[in-house]
Parts: sequence; C-alpha cells; structure tokens
Amino acid sequence: AQKVTQAQTEISVVEKEDVTLDCVYETRDTTYYLFWYKQPPSGELVFLIRRNSFDEQNEISGRYSWNFQKSTSSFNFTITASQVVDSAVYFCALSEVLTDKLIFGTGTRLQVFP
Amino acid sequence: GAVVSQHPSWVICKSGTSVKIECRSLDFQATTMFWYRQFPKQSLMLMATSNEGSKATYEQGVEKDKFLINHASLTLSTLTVTSAHPEDSSFYICSARDLARMASNYGYTFGSGTRLTVV
Repeated sequence: AQKVTQAQTEISVVEKEDVTLDCVYETRDTTYYLFWYKQPPSGELVFLIRRNSFDEQNEISGRYSWNFQKSTSSFNFTITASQVVDSAVYFCALSEVLTDKLIFGTGTRLQVFP
Repeated sequence: GAVVSQHPSWVICKSGTSVKIECRSLDFQATTMFWYRQFPKQSLMLMATSNEGSKATYEQGVEKDKFLINHASLTLSTLTVTSAHPEDSSFYICSARDLARMASNYGYTFGSGTRLTVV
C-alpha cells in the first residue's frame, strides 16, 4: 500500500531563512509519481511539482528546489530565502500507476515571520 | 488551463438534512474524479474514486450510503452527504483527471473545495 510521511508537523522560520520540508514515501510499485502541493488558508490546492520515479534529477524553480532520492525514498522540498507569502500548509503526495490514486501526506504547516 | 469548478464553496446545514456538492470540469472531459475530505489541520483523505457511468469505488471506512457519489457525465460529479451530522463538518475537495495534462501535473486538477458546517 502506498504511504506518505511528513514528519514535520509545523515549522516556523524568520523571513529570508532557508527551510527544508521532508517527505518520505512507501510504495511497492516501480512506477509512481511524487508531488508537492501548497495549501494557503483559502484551502485551494496549488500544484508545485510532479516527479516520476524514473527521473531522479533534482529540480530548481526560482526559490524552490526539490531533492528526490530513491535510495532513501525521500522527496524533500527546500525554500530558499523564505518569504511571509510562503506561509501555508505543504503536502507531499504519491500516485501509483497501478492504483491511479493520489495519496497525501499529513502536511507540514510552515509559518514565515517577518 | 484546466479548470474544475466546485460548488458551493461553503454551506451550513441543519443536522439530519442532505447536502449536495458539485464538481464540474469546465474545459475538459474527466472520466475519473476523486473526492477528498479534510478535517481541520489534517491531511486530505481520499474518500472515493468515481468513473463516469459506473459506481464509485469507496475507500475503506467511508460509508457509501452516507456519501452518495454520482458521475453521470464526463464533466460532472456530485457528492451528496445524506442525513448530515455535526461530525460530517469538514472541507470537501474534488479532483478531476485531465488526461491532456499528464505531462505537467499528471492530470490531477482540483476544485477550490467546499466547507461544510452541520449545525
């Protein structure tokens, strides 16, 4: 069965600090997809990134970067020079090709203080 | 880009009444839609998967007689919470699968959610 664990429940940082959100996943499928979503207080989910299991290249998008390591089943998300607008709940999610279901982790609430 | 419209965005109902939530794909056909429930400060829990023209598949622990899902067309799925009780108060989010967007977000396009409060 697929499972996503986000051990950090809440993280608080001061603006301009770098912060890394951890994500560990479990799956028996060899083909799967990993995602990160941002959920601001409005509740709407904002898609950030998708990574497939065959592509371990790390990715950078502006202040965001993602580190995918199959050896440790981790897909961590780093925000550099954090800003107050980054305050939100961040979810890591996993989709297996076999089940086609998108399963979410427990989420990490990030608070960035000015 | 693909848009999923979910209505209502919030609803307050009396205990014992039924509430219907609509999830509509506006510019694409969705053969598969998913329904999630999110309690305050918790994760999104998958409730069920609906495929157009067939019965929904419910996750373990979700009462199918209480949460009726209908996916009668390629652009509309509805979730009806029957005989709602205060413990059903939650944030409900739908997701429609847009196969044309597999290269980007793998097709998962979310509605903006419905906040249900049962009093």
